[in-house]
Amino acid sequence: AQKITQTQPGMFVQEKEAVTLDCTYDTSDPSYGLFWYKQPSSGEMIFLIYQGSYDQQNATEGRYSLNFQKARKSANLVISASQLGDSAMYFCAMRAGYSSASKIIFGSGTRLSIRP
Amino acid sequence: GAVVSQHPSWVICKSGTSVKIECRSLDFQATTMFWYRQFPKQSLMLMATSNEGSKATYEQGVEKDKFLINHASLTLSTLTVTSAHPEDSSFYICSARNWQGLANEKLFFGSGTQLSVL
Repeated sequence: AQKITQTQPGMFVQEKEAVTLDCTYDTSDPSYGLFWYKQPSSGEMIFLIYQGSYDQQNATEGRYSLNFQKARKSANLVISASQLGDSAMYFCAMRAGYSSASKIIFGSGTRLSIRP
Repeated sequence: GAVVSQHPSWVICKSGTSVKIECRSLDFQATTMFWYRQFPKQSLMLMATSNEGSKATYEQGVEKDKFLINHASLTLSTLTVTSAHPEDSSFYICSARNWQGLANEKLFFGSGTQLSVL
């Protein structure tokens, strides 16, 4: 069975500081992918970053980076120089298996609030 | 970037009626689409995986006769909530996979549908 866990229900961070959102996962499949999404109050799901299980390097997308520690089964999201607009729910997600039909499940989410 | 269109954005219906929600991938072919349900301040719960030209795969606990999914083409999947009841009120969101292999997967979401059953 596959499982994804986010242990931080909420976080408060001062503007311009870096923030790390935790995510751990569990799967027996050697081929998997990990995602991070942002969901503002409008409800839309905004793709942030993706990491494949065979990627040698940590994924980066602008201010977002994914700290992929395979042995620990963790995929933490790092946001550098946080901005007020970063306040939102953040979800970690995983696809287990190497197939276009493999399902994608989500963690419980972390609500990030940026203080001015 | 790729766009997924979901309609309607919100719907209010009477108990016992059926509601159809459409999900379209506008600029790519999506062999797989996913339907999720989200309660307020909670995570996305996967309801079913929809594959073009075949029957949907439902998650445990999701009634396939109540939540009918049709994926008739590579760009369109529909979710029909049959005989809706107040407990079906929720935010439903679809996503479409732009499969580019393990190294570069993209999953795009529709804007969601807020269903309220009176």
